[in-house]
Amino acid sequence: QKEVEQDPGPLSVPEGAIVSLNCTYSNSAFQYFMWYRQYSRKGPELLMYTYSSGNKEDGRFTAQVDKSSKYISLFIRDSQPSDSATYLCAVMNRDDKIIFGKGTRLHILP
Amino acid sequence: DGGITQSPKYLFRKEGQNVTLSCEQNLNHDAMYWYRQDPGQGLRLIYYSQIVNDFQKGDIAEGYSVSREKKESFPLTVTSAQKNPTAFYLCASSSRYYGYTFGSGTRLTVV
Repeated sequence: QKEVEQDPGPLSVPEGAIVSLNCTYSNSAFQYFMWYRQYSRKGPELLMYTYSSGNKEDGRFTAQVDKSSKYISLFIRDSQPSDSATYLCAVMNRDDKIIFGKGTRLHILP
Repeated sequence: DGGITQSPKYLFRKEGQNVTLSCEQNLNHDAMYWYRQDPGQGLRLIYYSQIVNDFQKGDIAEGYSVSREKKESFPLTVTSAQKNPTAFYLCASSSRYYGYTFGSGTRLTVV
């Protein structure tokens, strides 16, 4: 079983729709959870960083963590064409060991 | 503004040539990393350094070398022993409180 699993997509949704991106992880030692956005030919940029179960909201983005089922999600409301990118989830333990998902390619259709 | 600067953005290497990719950070982070990104394969760790003058091999270190003489700098050398070096290379630094911060990447192509 891979430590972090993420559907590679591509995921295509119409502009204005709610987007749901998900990852599962296998090791309960992971305590910190991140979502990165990566545009083509650019480095990943941190979108959300959380270390507890529950929801964290920042503008149109909501990160959700369910430690009991080892499931993390990113929701994007009112999606825009500029949200088209690859989204990587990441999990990290207390020793700062980080595992990245392989990324989901998202296309927002105008 | 604090961040990570990678240079050059594009690099071309001839067969049998060593090339060095630069990575500089002004975030005062102790830990720095080099990743390689290939289509469909995600991020793969090449080397990492948690403190000056110390570094560790990652999952795909063969054909690469690094140094960490200063806290701010972590250059990566792609040697002629790396048989398939064409890829997108990303440098990162980390903090427990702010996660990983990435540079904008260097695209290396063998010609």
